[in-house]
Amino acid sequence: ETGVTQTPRHLVMGMTNKKSLKCEQHLGHNAMYWYKQSAKKPLELMFVYSLEERVENNSVPSRFSPECPNSSHLFLHLHTLQPEDSALYLCASSQLPGTLEVVTFGSGTRLTVV
Amino acid sequence: DAKTTQPPSMDCAEGRAANLPCNHSTISGNEYVYWYRQIHSQGPQYIIHGLKNNETNEMASLIITEDRKSSTLILPHATLRDTAVYYCIVRSSAGGTSYGKLTFGQGTILTVHP
Repeated sequence: ETGVTQTPRHLVMGMTNKKSLKCEQHLGHNAMYWYKQSAKKPLELMFVYSLEERVENNSVPSRFSPECPNSSHLFLHLHTLQPEDSALYLCASSQLPGTLEVVTFGSGTRLTVV
Repeated sequence: DAKTTQPPSMDCAEGRAANLPCNHSTISGNEYVYWYRQIHSQGPQYIIHGLKNNETNEMASLIITEDRKSSTLILPHATLRDTAVYYCIVRSSAGGTSYGKLTFGQGTILTVHP
């Protein structure tokens, strides 16, 4: 399999649930990202990992907890979310950040919080 | 990174060229112009990027004005599958803290009609 793969594609969770989004990249990249896309709003960068180290956290609430166990995998752990957290969550990867490399996105996880 | 301005929507007939404009009048010398597109409910897809020379690849052509204050993405023979939101993004080559940080605006919704 090639590219950036995200699972699940769709997720419905209650506000008291705990769930995790998974992302895997098969491109040999060493930087990975989480973006959020809410309805009718531009994509927002949430987290950046470079060589498995978190290098950026854009004021994201602690109910979102990222994990990057190696350069190919990225998780987003979710707990006690709010309905306004319903959105499309996109994972992306690239070569070393800070260069003008192409950022490759996955197809996203459509999250609905009920 | 410089801000960009794009028309909110455009229409194009199938088989015709689609010309999508982008204004980036505050662009600085080390900033590149990138184009991505997002087909409904999928992740953004890289199309092309350039600094000051015109660029062409298998997907599209990018024409950047001499003063670099605006650019045009050209899809030479639009198909129904080109219906998507097209994002023009200006990104610094300064490295270091840019971290794949693509700042997305609202983009242009291109609708290709039969």
